[in-house]
Amino acid sequence: EADIYQTPRYLVIGTGKKITLECSQTMGHDKMYWYQQDPGMELHLIHYSYGVNSTEKGDLSSESTVSRIRTEHFPLTLESARPSHTSQYLCASSELGLGQGGTEAFFGQGTRLTVV
Amino acid sequence: GDSVTQMEGPVTLSEEAFLTINCTYTATGYPSLFWYVQYPGEGLQLLLKATKADDKGSNKGFEATYRKETTSFHLEKGSVQVSDSAVYFCALTLQGAQKLVFGQGTRLTINP
Repeated sequence: EADIYQTPRYLVIGTGKKITLECSQTMGHDKMYWYQQDPGMELHLIHYSYGVNSTEKGDLSSESTVSRIRTEHFPLTLESARPSHTSQYLCASSELGLGQGGTEAFFGQGTRLTVV
Repeated sequence: GDSVTQMEGPVTLSEEAFLTINCTYTATGYPSLFWYVQYPGEGLQLLLKATKADDKGSNKGFEATYRKETTSFHLEKGSVQVSDSAVYFCALTLQGAQKLVFGQGTRLTINP
């Protein structure tokens, strides 16, 4: 069973609010990722991290930002939420880089964000 | 670019039916291939994987074979159960790339 946790599970927030989605893992993984899952179920990589103090943007442009001050923690922040940010956000981690053949990614349960 | 295409869903079957979910890929190198499953209200979890041509991944009665000649990784199960109802994602990774490339997902519903 994966030890990766996201909070909150559900969040409804007004336009213009600042929000932080939390993601923590207890597996000691260096590599962590944020995916955005749209209502049609497609998953898009928006951020990833190789380790502490490393953050990179993914394929899908996102107004969110991330930080990686501790190995186990990879929070995602939206400075000013908009209805277009309504989506499900999934955090994941892996022991090795995903480019190393067959590496498994472990996913949290996700945060479903609704901006009204 | 690298991409994964899954059969369009949703798919609805009766319990004990045979399941196939098609998956084909386009990749510039030699990818590793995966099936992930997302049960209702949950995150994704790995179902099975294959890292080279002709490898067969299997788990929980599901199987998929890495077919390089047809660039496919179709998911099969001989007898589905209600508990198999979920969304199934085919995905690939490439050497040196730090990401999973997912297909669009197939929602499977099994009726008793």
